[in-house]
Amino acid sequence: ETGVTQTPRHLVMGMTNKKSLKCEQHLGHNAMYWYKQSAKKPLELMFVYNFKEQTENNSVPSRFSPECPNSSHLFLHLHTLQPEDSALYLCASSQDPGLNYGYTFGSGTRLTVV
Amino acid sequence: DQQVKQNSPSLSVQEGRISILNCDYTNSMFDYFLWYKKYPAEGPTFLISISSIKDKNEDGRFTVFLNKSAKHLSLHIVPSQPGDSAVYFCAAWRSGANNLFFGTGTRLTVIP
Repeated sequence: ETGVTQTPRHLVMGMTNKKSLKCEQHLGHNAMYWYKQSAKKPLELMFVYNFKEQTENNSVPSRFSPECPNSSHLFLHLHTLQPEDSALYLCASSQDPGLNYGYTFGSGTRLTVV
Repeated sequence: DQQVKQNSPSLSVQEGRISILNCDYTNSMFDYFLWYKKYPAEGPTFLISISSIKDKNEDGRFTVFLNKSAKHLSLHIVPSQPGDSAVYFCAAWRSGANNLFFGTGTRLTVIP
């Protein structure tokens, strides 16, 4: 148990589907993140939330829509995705975004867009 | 622009020998460097870190070296064990940033 739980672990969706990824952390952290890991690429930051407020949107297409209802939960709503969006989506949390160590990652959701 | 680079996608090492994983960066403003380890089907886990004011940090079998003039850091694992087989990510952070900057990862295989 890493303290950061992501569901589902695997997701296959068509390009016209709407789905959501869920992340929950039980560590009392104030900052949460969505990262995308594609093959042979660095982990790409997508969004940062600090105390439920979005503080970073790293030029992510609008077909990805984050939601942070509270400091413990983070969602990534997906709609009309493209096959190139297939990747591992990782959620992470930290005490605060300025802290220079100690991201805790979830196990990720492996997304396949067909 | 990729600010943190890991130019070796993979590395194979015999059990008991030393594993050296390398990382280069381009931004001289980075204050802190971290190594994460990732097993298949799991998220990355923090391994070891080093502040930019130091040139070495050691934790058991793991040592990280930082060469600021060369903008280069390396992770040494001695002795390597089969359980060390994983993907290792180098990451960097600078004051005022919202996030860590990650490299592409190096897959280490330790051969029994």
